[in-house]
Amino acid sequence: DTEVTQTPKHLVMGMTNKKSLKCEQHMGHRAMYWYKQKAKKPPELMFVYSYEKLSINESVPSRFSPECPNSSLLNLHLHALQPEDSALYLCASSQRGPGGGQPQHFGDGTRLSIL
Amino acid sequence: AQRVTQPEKLLSVFKGAPVELKCNYSYSGSPELFWYVQYSRQRLQLLLRHISRESIKGFTADLNKGETSFHLKKPFAQEEDSAMYYCAPGNDMRFGAGTRLTVKP
Repeated sequence: DTEVTQTPKHLVMGMTNKKSLKCEQHMGHRAMYWYKQKAKKPPELMFVYSYEKLSINESVPSRFSPECPNSSLLNLHLHALQPEDSALYLCASSQRGPGGGQPQHFGDGTRLSIL
Repeated sequence: AQRVTQPEKLLSVFKGAPVELKCNYSYSGSPELFWYVQYSRQRLQLLLRHISRESIKGFTADLNKGETSFHLKKPFAQEEDSAMYYCAPGNDMRFGAGTRLTVKP
């Protein structure tokens, strides 16, 4: 299995809802990432987990809460989001973490819309 | 921090013409650089990495330490090459701004 799988593909939620995005990889990669991508913009790094520990948080608002239950899974818990949080959320993994010089494998993303 | 710059947001060429997408980097030490491509409605995927020195889909990229550049080149562009192209440092997970390539028939 050489894929990164993200669920759900689409998510519509209200500003008071709580939801979670999920990401899974079975390539034995030890680093996993969350990115936010707005239309016609490059992916913006949000969080990096390296060996299941949070190693980078790019000053992301606390309404986004990442979780790495094990080396294959990465979650992004959402609560009290704002309309400007509507975007494509990408998950990626790499064999080693930042500094390891390994390429990333990306999922298809979850398209999130906040009403 | 390791940073890359892609000076062109948009690039348009005709089919069969040569194409060069520019990427400049700004950090010391041994750079590790990648090109990623995002076709319409497809996932972001690795196109090239500088240490492999290979050609993928006719694209090549050479690291020029003197000019601190890692430009992506293809001698004869095809319509299916139309996509977003991102340069990224391998030791930092922050992408360049990207270049949207359009190959016209």
